[in-house]
Amino acid sequence: AQSVSQHNHHVILSEAASLELGCNYSYGGTVNLFWYVQYPGQHLQLLLKYFSGDPLVKGIKGFEAEFIKSKFSFNLRKPSVQWSDTAEYFCAVLTGGSYIPTFGRGTSLIVHP
Amino acid sequence: DGGITQSPKYLFRKEGQNVTLSCEQNLNHDAMYWYRQDPGQGLRLIYYSQIVNDFQKGDIAEGYSVSREKKESFPLTVTSAQKNPTAFYLCASSGTRNEQFFGPGTRLTVL
Repeated sequence: AQSVSQHNHHVILSEAASLELGCNYSYGGTVNLFWYVQYPGQHLQLLLKYFSGDPLVKGIKGFEAEFIKSKFSFNLRKPSVQWSDTAEYFCAVLTGGSYIPTFGRGTSLIVHP
Repeated sequence: DGGITQSPKYLFRKEGQNVTLSCEQNLNHDAMYWYRQDPGQGLRLIYYSQIVNDFQKGDIAEGYSVSREKKESFPLTVTSAQKNPTAFYLCASSGTRNEQFFGPGTRLTVL
């Protein structure tokens, strides 16, 4: 069965630090990849997505992610985090023709001002 | 505003009671989903529906039931058979690109 691993469960950073959150999946075929974010007290919402084309995708609020097919990875990055980036981040993968995503367990990010 | 609404926001239940969580969407999406979110466990799929009058069990369907009588609505019933129902429940829908849109969630507490 498809699995998604988020290696960092809790990350604590100071403002202006760089961020990279890991996401690896196990499926070898065609994938659609997503990062979702859940800010405190808010809806879970889409941060960015990859379907095809340029493997470097840009999302909202300065986030980006790179799809590396050979490494089965879709890591999330931001060069300089802000206190407002404090949230829980979820990686999700859709495989083949499925419409049921597999979610990672999430990474809790705390940014200190 | 297009989106997904869930009600109630907080729900308290006594052991042995069934409760129903509401989920409504006005995005004209065919597919709808129910997830359970527990700390450190991510989102686990309870039930999903691709079309009206059809739904499928997800990974943790035991103790839950759903219906899909209308495209806009996908209520979830947490039955007394669910052994550990205290959790945060999220409803979602998706359209043709399969990006998921989530509701604000319902926090269920069993007393």
